[in-house]
Amino acid sequence: GAVVSQHPSWVICKSGTSVKIECRSLDFQATTMFWYRQFPKQSLMLMATSNEGSKATYEQGVEKDKFLINHASLTLSTLTVTSAHPEDSSFYICSAPGNLYGYTFGSGTRLTVV
Amino acid sequence: QQPVQSPQAVILREGEDAVINCSSSKALYSVHWYRQKHGEAPVFLMILLKGGEQKGHEKISASFNEKKQQSSLYLTASQLSYSGTYFCGTGDPANTGNQFYFGTGTSLTVIP
Repeated sequence: GAVVSQHPSWVICKSGTSVKIECRSLDFQATTMFWYRQFPKQSLMLMATSNEGSKATYEQGVEKDKFLINHASLTLSTLTVTSAHPEDSSFYICSAPGNLYGYTFGSGTRLTVV
Repeated sequence: QQPVQSPQAVILREGEDAVINCSSSKALYSVHWYRQKHGEAPVFLMILLKGGEQKGHEKISASFNEKKQQSSLYLTASQLSYSGTYFCGTGDPANTGNQFYFGTGTSLTVIP
């Protein structure tokens, strides 16, 4: 149980375009979803926390207008990277509190902006 | 916010032991340990919920010192499959409003 499905697994886009990443909780309701970004050889850095039905909470230094988060239902949270640039190329991953003993992660999305 | 891990990297020969430490400047309610292989999502190893708790599975175990705000991961008789980057993390999954932060990470390489 407690599966989070993340799509797409990878995406290559042109500079200036927007990219949407989806995370769906398949067998549980995720009232909260955490979004992380990981640059090569670095740790996973929390970008924002999305809460169903309310505005997301962004970590310091993360541009809320650039990384749009929507959590419209208990099973779907989306991250949209707007006007993507090469420096946004990274590994993005979502996570939700799946049960009392841990967090469930999506499989991650490798974004490459060319 | 982010826990600090040490060492940053370690190389072991198969069969050797290793210890990875995780230290937080804030109070820890729980400590989670994950292993990440290159290009993959982190895989949950274990969670320690109470100060003083020790837990293990096969040859990987961990301890949690709540007072010192520290946790350690012990890998015994390492295997090639143990290679990866290990992250500790802090958060309270029972409290959905509580953010989860990963540690700085420790790269572990096991060589034959």
